[in-house]
Amino acid sequence: DTAVSQTPKYLVTQMGNDKSIKCEQNLGHDTMYWYKQDSKKFLKIMFSYNNKELIINETVPNRFSPKSPDKAHLNLHINSLELGDSAVYFCASSQDNVGGVFYGYTFGSGTRLTVV
Amino acid sequence: GEDVEQSLFLSVREGDSSVINCTYTDSSSTYLYWYKQEPGAGLQLLTYIFSNMDMKQDQRLTVLLNKKDKHLSLRIADTQTGDSAIYFCAETVNNAGNMLTFGGGTRLMVKP
Repeated sequence: DTAVSQTPKYLVTQMGNDKSIKCEQNLGHDTMYWYKQDSKKFLKIMFSYNNKELIINETVPNRFSPKSPDKAHLNLHINSLELGDSAVYFCASSQDNVGGVFYGYTFGSGTRLTVV
Repeated sequence: GEDVEQSLFLSVREGDSSVINCTYTDSSSTYLYWYKQEPGAGLQLLTYIFSNMDMKQDQRLTVLLNKKDKHLSLRIADTQTGDSAIYFCAETVNNAGNMLTFGGGTRLMVKP
């Protein structure tokens, strides 16, 4: 299946732990993103990578570090997890403009992170 | 997002039309999108409209764009219970690359 896939789907962990969320896309897209969706369903961009290079880094704590080993993968590593990090994290990808048209993002199904 | 606003909630009866509204502030928006999020799932692109269009129709979906008022709407004809979801509008702005800014989402509840 062509898709954006992220693992794990659910992640429950204790405060202070370090965890990673993985994302892979097989769509051949050039740009990948991480978004955070809070309990009120508000979506906020965290990072964006284009061809393995960081192009957007919004104001997120430096405990969050994205890593892109190649343009098909963008992983999110979180150090010293805090209660406020509990949210759903979405990975997405997009193709650079095709014939002058930007078709938006393709999203993964999300990772629900619960910090206890 | 602070630049894109939507009402939080809409309830309709099955078979009626639903109209979900969105306002945005950036007049240089180039594309506007509607995404659907079902429970426990990611966002699925429903449709998009280029800023030089004022209407786009795709089966049961009709998108209307009023650039003067910076108002976007999504009309769903003959709404079904399977349409119950959260609907997000989003915009891209030409001078911000291809970054999407999302509204806060409208939860559509369809009653049988």
